[in-house]
Amino acid sequence: DIQMTQSPSSLSASVGDRVTITCRASQGISNYLAWYQQKPGKVPKLLIYAASTLQSGVPSRFSGSGSGTDFTLTISSLQPEDVATYYCQKYNSDPFTFGPGTKVDIK
Amino acid sequence: EVQLVESGGGLVQPGGSLRLSCAASGFTFSSCAMSWVRQAPGKGLEWVSGISGSGGSTYHADSVKGRFTISRDNSKNTLYLQMNSLRAEDTAEYYCAKDHRPLGGMIVEAYFDYWGQGTLVTVSS
Repeated sequence: DIQMTQSPSSLSASVGDRVTITCRASQGISNYLAWYQQKPGKVPKLLIYAASTLQSGVPSRFSGSGSGTDFTLTISSLQPEDVATYYCQKYNSDPFTFGPGTKVDIK
Repeated sequence: EVQLVESGGGLVQPGGSLRLSCAASGFTFSSCAMSWVRQAPGKGLEWVSGISGSGGSTYHADSVKGRFTISRDNSKNTLYLQMNSLRAEDTAEYYCAKDHRPLGGMIVEAYFDYWGQGTLVTVSS
């Protein structure tokens, strides 16, 4: 099975900072990658699918890129409401594995 | 408005069984593949099982294969997860989740635009 890893596991940044989270697949998955945001005590929210397509209603400060095995989620200007854990997920084939998550908070 | 409402969670002894349900509304249920995703306390997300819109294709994670069965009743707009031979490591919040694109038929795309609020399953003696 394809394994998903994320780095870093956590980060602390200042409001307005550019934040980048990396997701890596152990084998190529083309662009079958989604990103989710889960705020404390809330259900996950779809941010990006097809590696770089922004879900409707998601602020444009979020962007995704990559293909094959290496992907990134970028927050161009971190806001207080972005404090959350971010997960990538592959969906090219079963099993539809999530990455372990990256916890983002404000410095 | 899309709504997904899970039920059926609770406390069960190791080796026991539970059936979770997810009542769906606000979209054409039979057109959408659905999945169950779980989250152990303080841990990350784990995809558990998925089913196509027709119910003709099903998938299960290795961790639950042979113990859990996903199914659906499109006449009742309801998704199910039958969980047998439960273990302590199955303790988690269980979410039902809707595929983003209504592809219907046998396709499971398995990335999710709507999630239920979850139902807690605790496996303990």
